[in-house]
Amino acid sequence: DTAVSQTPKYLVTQMGNDKSIKCEQNLGHDTMYWYKQDSKKFLKIMFSYNNKELIINETVPNRFSPKSPDKAHLNLHINSLELGDSAVYFCASSRLPGLSMGETQYFGPGTRLLVL
Amino acid sequence: DQQVKQNSPSLSVQEGRISILNCDYTNSMFDYFLWYKKYPAEGPTFLISISSIKDKNEDGRFTVFLNKSAKHLSLHIVPSQPGDSAVYFCAASGGVLIGGSEKLVFGKGMKLTVNP
Repeated sequence: DTAVSQTPKYLVTQMGNDKSIKCEQNLGHDTMYWYKQDSKKFLKIMFSYNNKELIINETVPNRFSPKSPDKAHLNLHINSLELGDSAVYFCASSRLPGLSMGETQYFGPGTRLLVL
Repeated sequence: DQQVKQNSPSLSVQEGRISILNCDYTNSMFDYFLWYKKYPAEGPTFLISISSIKDKNEDGRFTVFLNKSAKHLSLHIVPSQPGDSAVYFCAASGGVLIGGSEKLVFGKGMKLTVNP
């Protein structure tokens, strides 16, 4: 059973298009995240939701809009895609917002977005 | 501004020998550190963690050492196995809730190759 799943796994699209990436976790976790891994391989947090409420919003263009319909889902919608949006996007979840010894974030397999 | 640095991009070791992966950090507020392992086309998976109140944590073949004064941690894998070949990410957390959530800051990863 997949704990954190993302769809699609690959996404190739043209500049200017609008696309969505979906994430679902079946771990019963309260907190979900979106990360971006860019061409330099850094994993950087974009957003965090706890119980459907936005709690972290890093400096991300407002073309990116996360939506959490319920605790188990956190979708990422991207408007007017740009070349620089090409990256791997990872969804993650954790039991609680605060990490402590032994706690961790569980990651999905990633969505590889290529903007042409 | 890289707060978590993995300065060596890759490491190659022989099966059965020790692998030592290093990580440095700059933010003295970090008090919880994690190592993640990532296979190609998969998301990162949690490996081991350490709190700043400890200087060593061991789990089977994996041991993490923390030197707070040097702001340095290392992951030791003994003995190394070919299945350990993956990218390893070091991550740190600040212990200060930001909007109710711990933000993980990741290094850029290090590729470990264990040769049979």
